[in-house]
Amino acid sequence: AQSVTQLDSQVPVFEEAPVELRCNYSSSVSVYLFWYVQYPNQGLQLLLKYLSGSTLVKGINGFEAEFNKSQTSFHLRKPSVHISDTAEYFCATQGSSASKIIFGSGTRLSIRP
Amino acid sequence: DTGVSQDPRHKITKRGQNVTFRCDPISEHNRLYWYRQTLGQGPEFLTYFQNEAQLEKSRLLSDRFSAERPKGSFSTLEIQRTEQGDSAMYLCASSLDGGAEQYFGPGTRLTVT
Repeated sequence: AQSVTQLDSQVPVFEEAPVELRCNYSSSVSVYLFWYVQYPNQGLQLLLKYLSGSTLVKGINGFEAEFNKSQTSFHLRKPSVHISDTAEYFCATQGSSASKIIFGSGTRLSIRP
Repeated sequence: DTGVSQDPRHKITKRGQNVTFRCDPISEHNRLYWYRQTLGQGPEFLTYFQNEAQLEKSRLLSDRFSAERPKGSFSTLEIQRTEQGDSAMYLCASSLDGGAEQYFGPGTRLTVT
């Protein structure tokens, strides 16, 4: 069965500092991987996705993630965060049949000025 | 393209009452999904439709829950005899047939008192 583990429930960082949000997935079959962002009182927005091909995926708002098959990881990174990046970030996986998405429990990113 | 819309955005109901939520997907999308998100957790899959056919239901979807998509366009999710544990954000998403990316609506927040 597919599953996703987000290792940190909260990550506090200073503005303009780099950040990495960790995600590990578990699956015996090929998967698609995603990062979604949820701003306060808003719906889910897709940041980036990995379907196949290059393991380094670039998304919106300066975020990127690297698919690492040997470590079954898909960590999200940003070299310099802004106050506006304060949000909940969800790592997610989906089977290649493109049906339901399995979400992690989320990481709350809080930015300190 | 107006995106996925959900109605109502907020619903407060008393325990034991029935509630119904509506989701309007992106017009050309054949697949429609329902998820539930409780406080501090990632969204959990409930069910999905391919056109009007309900193809998968989670074990989270008890007998009190029913979803329909009668004409393959909008969908409704009904909860009968609501319980306090049903309090959550109910999210709808849609995607193209076989497409991996799901587009999420803003959600309906249900509070059962």
